[in-house]
Formats: sequence, structure tokens, C-alpha cells
Amino acid sequence: AQSVTQLDSQVPVFEEAPVELRCNYSSSVSVYLFWYVQYPNQGLQLLLKYLSGSTLVKGINGFEAEFNKSQTSFHLRKPSVHISDTAEYFCAVSGQAAGNKLTFGGGTRVLVKP
Amino acid sequence: ETGVTQTPRHLVMGMTNKKSLKCEQHLGHNAMYWYKQSAKKPLELMFVYNFKEQTENNSVPSRFSPECPNSSHLFLHLHTLQPEDSALYLCASSPDPAGAALSEQYFGPGTRLTVT
Repeated sequence: AQSVTQLDSQVPVFEEAPVELRCNYSSSVSVYLFWYVQYPNQGLQLLLKYLSGSTLVKGINGFEAEFNKSQTSFHLRKPSVHISDTAEYFCAVSGQAAGNKLTFGGGTRVLVKP
Repeated sequence: ETGVTQTPRHLVMGMTNKKSLKCEQHLGHNAMYWYKQSAKKPLELMFVYNFKEQTENNSVPSRFSPECPNSSHLFLHLHTLQPEDSALYLCASSPDPAGAALSEQYFGPGTRLTVT
């Protein structure tokens, strides 16, 4: 079984400032890791995913995340946010076995202020 | 239409009503999912269908009854719901059910359900 903890439920940030959203996971098996974004009144959209290889993963809209196996973390970063980045962000984990389901964190709401 | 669509977008129902939520994917995917998103709780997987067959029921109460007539359509039939069932119900699809851990899940916009 896996679990995901997103340490911050809300993160206010000024436009053009950097942002980091923290995600820690626990699992007894090797995992795949994902970040999804949910804009108001919409479903979830995949930002990026880590499957294997380089621990620094680049995604859409200028986001990137770094997989740290020793710290069981997969923090999401963006160097300069825009008003349009206001949304809820979800970290998710899946065990590396066929058919394993996604387990989501509780989400972090990002509010970008002008 | 493209992607994953869900109807209705909003639904208000009494505890004795029967209603159905509909999901349709236009992506040619083979796996479909129902999730429940409640306020202040993590997204919860409810059901998984692979090639029209149910492969996962995550201890969901029987007042929720899924139906998958083909790989493109997924329904969630609702009856005698409770107020705590009020939530956003999200449908998703993915290309390869066996490799669901690898393949991206595409989500619909959800149905906001309120049980009165």
C-alpha cells in the first residue's frame, strides 16, 4: 500500500515569485510519481510524471519536480508563477506493478496574487 | 467532442431519488474510472473498468452502482444516497489498463452532486 502527504494545504504566492509544493510518500515497493493540476470547475490534468531515469522531471507550463528516493519526496517547483497558475495541485503515487491504482495526496491550493 | 465528458455537470437530488451520472471518453481508451472528490479529503478511487469489465470496487456502498456498456461509456447509478455522499464525482480514462501505473489518466470535468 502507498500513501501521499502534501504538507501544505494552501500556498499564497505573489505573481512572478517562485513556488514549491511539497510532497512526501510512503510505499513498500518502488513507485511511479505524478503531479496533477485542477483548475476551477475542471477535472485533473497531468503536469508531469516520474517513471524512471533522471530524477529531475520537467512538465508543462514551466513546472518541474525532483524525485528524491532517500527522502521519499517529489516536490514540485516553478521559478516564476502567473495568475493563471492559481489552482489546486495533487501529488499521486502508484506502485510499480501492472494495474496498480493511483493514490492521491490531499492537494495544495495555490493562490497567486498580483 | 474531444477528451472526457461528463453529464450532468451539477445535480441536486433527494435521498429517495434515483439518478445516473454519465461519462463518455472520445480517446479510444480501454480503462475507465470513477473517483469521488470530497471537501478536505483526498481523491478516492471508487471503481475501475478494464475492457468493460469491473476490476476494482474500492469498498463502495451498494447505493452506488456502476455500469460500463462499452469502452467509451461509463455510468454511475445512484439511489437512496446520504447527505455525506455530496461531492464532486470525477470520471477518468487511460489507454492501457494493465499499465495503468504508467499511462496517464485523463479526467472529465466532474459532476457536482448535492444530496438534500
